[in-house]
Amino acid sequence: QSALTQPPSASGSPGQSVTISCTGTSSDVGGYNFVSWYQQHPGKAPQLLIYEVTKRPSGVPDRFSGSKSGNTASLTVSGLQAEDEADYYCNSFGGSNTLVFGGGTKLTVL
Amino acid sequence: EVQLLESGGDLVQPGGSLRLSCAASGFIFSSYSMIWVRQVPGKGLEWVSSISGGGDYIYYTDSVKGRFTVSRDNSKTTLSLQMNNLRVDDTAVYYCAKAQTLGGVRYGMGVWGQGTTVIVSS
Repeated sequence: QSALTQPPSASGSPGQSVTISCTGTSSDVGGYNFVSWYQQHPGKAPQLLIYEVTKRPSGVPDRFSGSKSGNTASLTVSGLQAEDEADYYCNSFGGSNTLVFGGGTKLTVL
Repeated sequence: EVQLLESGGDLVQPGGSLRLSCAASGFIFSSYSMIWVRQVPGKGLEWVSSISGGGDYIYYTDSVKGRFTVSRDNSKTTLSLQMNNLRVDDTAVYYCAKAQTLGGVRYGMGVWGQGTTVIVSS
């Protein structure tokens, strides 16, 4: 199972919006609506931001939103804040009861 | 409050064994699938293994099949990962995580432990 493809880095100024892509194949991202996104600050455990492509767990600000088109899923962070600076990982069900992560994107708030 | 607390990480020689544990609290443990994810320092996340709430469905990533065994004791609300024949490339922080919904880990991992560090080196 190959890792999903994410850009290594992304950046934006406070208040702006940034979109992070996550590209897979028809065997994972494109084949199922089971894409989730995680935020990880340095030295901390990952935290769930988005699940089932678009759903937000309670407590996650609505500045975070998810979408999918074909084999590519996206995470959009609107109204960037300093505390959004972190690593972001996508994850997808890969069929045959496997899970696959993206390589991660480091988001810098300028 | 839902909590997961991993333990058991250590320095071990190549070919050695280690058993990781994850103590769960604050939710009906037996109802939720659980997962192990690892992260090489400075690198990305990698799915290692999943186990259903009842322990009857178990899955592994290819690189650990035949070497790692996941199990759970629902009476003690504990998840375990027995790691045998460890290799240098198994060095990582190992996290346990709880499925976000009753539907299983494909729906996302809603709560994570703080991680435990495994170092495989001679």
